[in-house]
Amino acid sequence: QITLKESGPTLVKPTQTLTLTCTFSGFSLTTSTVGVGWIRQPPGKALEWLAFIYGNDDKIYSPSLKSRLTITKDSSKNLVVLTMTNMDPVDTATYSCVRSYYYDIRYFDLWGQGTLVTVSS
Amino acid sequence: EIVMTQSPATLSVSPGERATLSCRASQSIRSNLVWYQLKPGQAPRPLIYDASTRATGIPARFSGSGSETEFTLTISSLQSEDYAVYYCQHYNEWPRTFGQGTKVEIK
Repeated sequence: QITLKESGPTLVKPTQTLTLTCTFSGFSLTTSTVGVGWIRQPPGKALEWLAFIYGNDDKIYSPSLKSRLTITKDSSKNLVVLTMTNMDPVDTATYSCVRSYYYDIRYFDLWGQGTLVTVSS
Repeated sequence: EIVMTQSPATLSVSPGERATLSCRASQSIRSNLVWYQLKPGQAPRPLIYDASTRATGIPARFSGSGSETEFTLTISSLQSEDYAVYYCQHYNEWPRTFGQGTKVEIK
């Protein structure tokens, strides 16, 4: 079965660093043709793409958040980690990991259920 | 970055009626557009990709059309399970961007 699952804290304080982990199964992240990324959705607002990493370790970041984001992978453990620094209450959102391909399926064909992160003191 | 604009924000439709959702890109994205359906507590589901191709398992009442900058998602006869929020997203280049969503509600 092909799945993605997010894990991490549900509550972080302002100025803290958020670390989220996406654990996936059913595919491997070892080639340049497949990648995993992160998307968030604040309550009542639209979806926003954050970051993406291909199996060859190429990384792409949202221009508006690039200075705060780091995405890494551990292909041997089937996981992708997103860190976001200097968290603010406006970063309260459901964070989801997604899969996409470099060729053919270039949209996000597989999504995790998402994890709600609240930023509050 | 490419700005995606969806309209209307909310669409009130009676069961069995047709729903037409629009999505506009700020520049040409060819046919590199996907439509997602979002329901509370569920992972988003791709409905239509490449602007007009139904994803696996998607009923035929869902159809997509358009290219370049103007796109449409049509639900030919709304079923109870279709009341949800729909987002368009381009994948023509990075950054990928989404529209603001259209909520389809029961009239």
